[in-house]
Amino acid sequence: GDSVTQMEGPVTLSEEAFLTINCTYTATGYPSLFWYVQYPGEGLQLLLKATKADDKGSNKGFEATYRKETTSFHLEKGSVQVSDSAVYFCALSALGLTGGGNKLTFGTGTQLKVEL
Amino acid sequence: DADVTQTPRNRITKTGKRIMLECSQTKGHDRMYWYRQDPGLGLRLIYYSFDVKDINKGEISDGYSVSRQAQAKFSLSLESAIPNQTALYFCATSDPQRGTDTQYFGPGTRLTVL
Repeated sequence: GDSVTQMEGPVTLSEEAFLTINCTYTATGYPSLFWYVQYPGEGLQLLLKATKADDKGSNKGFEATYRKETTSFHLEKGSVQVSDSAVYFCALSALGLTGGGNKLTFGTGTQLKVEL
Repeated sequence: DADVTQTPRNRITKTGKRIMLECSQTKGHDRMYWYRQDPGLGLRLIYYSFDVKDINKGEISDGYSVSRQAQAKFSLSLESAIPNQTALYFCATSDPQRGTDTQYFGPGTRLTVL
């Protein structure tokens, strides 16, 4: 079945450092790929998405490129802030639900801590 | 106002009690989902509904039931709560007619079963 693997955390960075959170996936067909973010005490928010190979999703300074050849969707940000501290989830969406709907498969999440 | 709301936000209950978690949405989406989040396991799908008359089990439906009262309301029930149902529960909605069937999540309900 479909699966998503992302790097374990916590990842601890100093403010203004460069961020990479690795995400690789296994899927049949052509999934859409997502990054969700969960700030402390809050729900999941959609951060960015990409729907086909070579698409780049971007939002709030974060970006990720859908790489079909390496089955990856790594999250990057050039200069992190303390306010970026959160748990980041990589996910893929592909057909897999009864009735023809897309099933969303999540990675286990990566906690990011940004310090001054 | 939030597009997807969940009540209660926090709940502590005892083993054997019946609990209902509620989800409401103003996004006008037909599809609604219930997930649970456990540390180190990501999110797992409990139940989903594509319209008011459609209910389907997800990967971990045992011990849970749902009710889709209206397009905008989707409730999750634990008939007899047990401690390993302690988790963070999320409701989500989506609309496949708007492209990629992207799911949008509520703020979550933290449930503790003693």
